[in-house]
Amino acid sequence: DIQMTQSPSSLSASVGDRVTITCRASQSMSNYLNWYQQKPGKAPKLLIYDVSSLQSGVPSRFSGSGSGTHFTLTISSLQPEDFATYYCQQSYNTPRTFGQGTKVEIK
Amino acid sequence: QLQVQESGPGLVKPSETLSLTCTVSGGSISSTYYYWGWIRQPPGKGLEWIGNIYYSGNTYYNPSLKSRVAISVDTSKNQFSLKLSSVTAADTAMYFCASDSTGYKGLNYWGQGTLVTVSS
Repeated sequence: DIQMTQSPSSLSASVGDRVTITCRASQSMSNYLNWYQQKPGKAPKLLIYDVSSLQSGVPSRFSGSGSGTHFTLTISSLQPEDFATYYCQQSYNTPRTFGQGTKVEIK
Repeated sequence: QLQVQESGPGLVKPSETLSLTCTVSGGSISSTYYYWGWIRQPPGKGLEWIGNIYYSGNTYYNPSLKSRVAISVDTSKNQFSLKLSSVTAADTAMYFCASDSTGYKGLNYWGQGTLVTVSS
């Protein structure tokens, strides 16, 4: 199985801040890396696929980058609706695996 | 737009079998664009991929659950189903169904989830 490790596990930030979340994979997985946002009591929502492709309807303040085993999700200017938990996930092979999540909280 | 929706009992007794169904609407479960997957999330914890199925019936399971899991598809009803046997309290979780792009582009349509509690 490909292990996905996110950092940090949680962070506190203010509206307008630039936020970066890191995801490391235990082995190279081409570009099959996705990011999800989950708000309490809701299903996860796909934000980014293929490392850096924005899912339809997702604001452009979200961006993804990386390659090989090191990937990042960046929120360029944090908005009130962005306070949530973010997960990375690989779709390179099965079992699909998720990172443990990063909770973005209000400072 | 594609929609998926979970249904099934919210309470299952220990040692029994958990059974859930996911109904696909707004598209065909026989689409070549998707696998159909199950994901779960214990209360307050992260996401765990359970497995997925292609419309042809090909299945892929998480090795950690493989001995207890069965996913099936019913193309006539546009549904796919999850069975998890010999459940324990550790199987208490929110269970989600989702479409999983065959182009490796992620889980793009999710159901709202259904909470299954294992308790006597």
